[in-house]
Amino acid sequence: DTAVSQTPKYLVTQMGNDKSIKCEQNLGHDTMYWYKQDSKKFLKIMFSYNNKELIINETVPNRFSPKSPDKAHLNLHINSLELGDSAVYFCASSPTQDRVTYGYTFGSGTRLTVV
Amino acid sequence: EDQVTQSPEALRLQEGESSSLNCSYTVSGLRGLFWYRQDPGKGPEFLFTLYSAGEEKEKERLKATLTKKESFLHITAPKPEDSATYLCAARGESNYQLIWGAGTKLIIKP
Repeated sequence: DTAVSQTPKYLVTQMGNDKSIKCEQNLGHDTMYWYKQDSKKFLKIMFSYNNKELIINETVPNRFSPKSPDKAHLNLHINSLELGDSAVYFCASSPTQDRVTYGYTFGSGTRLTVV
Repeated sequence: EDQVTQSPEALRLQEGESSSLNCSYTVSGLRGLFWYRQDPGKGPEFLFTLYSAGEEKEKERLKATLTKKESFLHITAPKPEDSATYLCAARGESNYQLIWGAGTKLIIKP
């Protein structure tokens, strides 16, 4: 069973479109994250939710909106896509926001290409 | 400003040739130094957490060490399957998020 699963794995879309990426974890973790990895491999935190509550909201355009219907799911909706949004987006989870002893568990990523 | 810098950007080794990867950090009140492995097309996979200077952790051919300014990931007698990008991240006392380095791409040639 996949611990953190995100869909789709690949997403190619035109500028101006709206798209969503879904993430689900079956680890019973309380905290989930969205990261963006650019072409230089830097991982940048975008959002973090703890038990459905937003706790980290880094400086990202408000075209990006996370939604957590329950603590096992964290979706990312992107409006009016731009070329610069092309990247790999990773979902991750950890037991709590404090206890990261065992690190984060990452999904396999969604490669978003905006054309 | 909290920062994590990894070197080298890329490292090519022959199978069996031991070496080390470096992770330098400037983080206020280190709460953990993390090493991850990332294979192409996959998410980072957790390897180690180190908390205090002098601490060491080992897993198969990998050993991570920590000083007050940097961490090293030593790889002993590597095999081609050790080829991956190795990411380092640090967490400080000021917030919960991890500060990530850009990674070292390790290539082990048979």
